[in-house]
Amino acid sequence: GAGVSQSPRYKVTKRGQDVALRCDPISGHVSLYWYRQALGQGPEFLTYFNYEAQQDKSGLPNDRFSAERPEGSISTLTIQRTEQRDSAMYRCASSSSSGANVLTFGAGSRLTVL
Amino acid sequence: EDQVTQSPEALRLQEGESSSLNCSYTVSGLRGLFWYRQDPGKGPEFLFTLYSAGEEKEKERLKATLTKKESFLHITAPKPEDSATYLCAVRTNFGNEKLTFGTGTRLTIIP
Repeated sequence: GAGVSQSPRYKVTKRGQDVALRCDPISGHVSLYWYRQALGQGPEFLTYFNYEAQQDKSGLPNDRFSAERPEGSISTLTIQRTEQRDSAMYRCASSSSSGANVLTFGAGSRLTVL
Repeated sequence: EDQVTQSPEALRLQEGESSSLNCSYTVSGLRGLFWYRQDPGKGPEFLFTLYSAGEEKEKERLKATLTKKESFLHITAPKPEDSATYLCAVRTNFGNEKLTFGTGTRLTIIP
């Protein structure tokens, strides 16, 4: 596609429910990143894929968070047993190669946990 | 731990009033310093990458510079459409491919 597409754009869920956030990167982009952005803050790194391989998951806050990119294209970030502190904007970005300078970010998925 | 600090948090300028935004960093082995622009409700948009002290990059009314401890984003004769949040980020030798972002400077240009 022309840009990085994320869905859903908005998700409201109750505490304890599982949520899945989807990212469709720019066609042909090798690298895919997940970030989380709180209001008034800069993006915070969560995890990174090169093709289908998860290269770095050091930013995932705990084991309730997981991500996959099984075919090296679309990625899903899953949060299990959501908590109110998980409420944030979740942003996906992609780049044409590993170590590329330019990350193209999507519009994000805003998660609200009640 | 890598740290990126941006100042000021917010800046209001009259149209045409030039100024600078600051990004100071404490990292182990800088592998690149990045400037992004973020408009409300949108994802960050790439502006510049700087790699070594003394390097400068320009784009329209924006110029980014880099020293060993900080980077400046100079804005010359800004227009209202330059209003946005400007984010600074670093990539380091030991951080793999992750970017560590600052909290941003919210710039408002008043017509």
